[in-house]
Amino acid sequence: DAGVIQSPRHEVTEMGQEVTLRCKPISGHDYLFWYRQTMMRGLELLIYFNNNVPIDDSGMPEDRFSAKMPNASFSTLKIQPSEPRDSAVYFCASSFGQEMRSEKLFFGSGTQLSVL
Amino acid sequence: GNSVTQMEGPVTLSEEAFLTINCTYTATGYPSLFWYVQYPGEGLQLLLKATKADDKGSNKGFEATYRKETTSFHLEKGSVQVSDSAVYFCALGSGGYNKLIFGAGTRLAVHP
Repeated sequence: DAGVIQSPRHEVTEMGQEVTLRCKPISGHDYLFWYRQTMMRGLELLIYFNNNVPIDDSGMPEDRFSAKMPNASFSTLKIQPSEPRDSAVYFCASSFGQEMRSEKLFFGSGTQLSVL
Repeated sequence: GNSVTQMEGPVTLSEEAFLTINCTYTATGYPSLFWYVQYPGEGLQLLLKATKADDKGSNKGFEATYRKETTSFHLEKGSVQVSDSAVYFCALGSGGYNKLIFGAGTRLAVHP
C-alpha cells in the first residue's frame, strides 16, 4: 500500500484566498484524522471521521475551516478565507478501527501551507 | 483533562551518546502511552508503545517504561546514531475514541 497520500505537498497562497487540502487514507482504514502542526502550538487535532462521518470537530479553530469525507478514500480540509496565521503543516492520518486499542496512526507526509 | 508534557529541545548529542527524553502525563483512567518519531520532511510514525503500567515498549534500540507511580514514559537509547536525528513526540491514548493527545515534540540532533 502507498500509505496515506496528501496533496499538495506545498501550498503558497495569498490572504483571503480559498485553500483546499486533500487526503487519501490507506485502503480499508475507517478512521481519518486531520492535524495541524505549528511551532507555537505543536500538533493539534482538528477533526476526525469514522466511516466517513465527522465524529469530533471541536479542534477546528473557526468557521473558516471545514472538512469533508465524501467517501472512504478521500477527504478534504478547506480554509476560506485563508489568513497568515493559518500557515502551518497540515497532516492527515488514518487508522483501522478494529485496532482501536492499539491507537496506531499512519500519517501522510503533510502539506506545508504558507499564507502571505 | 488529559495532557502530555515533554522536555523542551533541542537535544544535541554526539554519536554513540546516551539519550533520555523525558515525558510525563496527566490522565484519568488507564491510558496507553506512545512515542512517535518524525524524520525531516515526513509524517509521524509510531516508534513504540506501552498499554499498561510497568510495560516496556522497545523498537530500533529505543525503549520506554510505563511508570504509573511517577506518571512518566521517558524515552531512552543507549547509543544514538546520526540517523536518529528527528523530532520525537510522546503521546497518550485515552482509548475508546481512537484519539491521541501529543506532547509538543522534542527535536534531537546527533552529530558525528
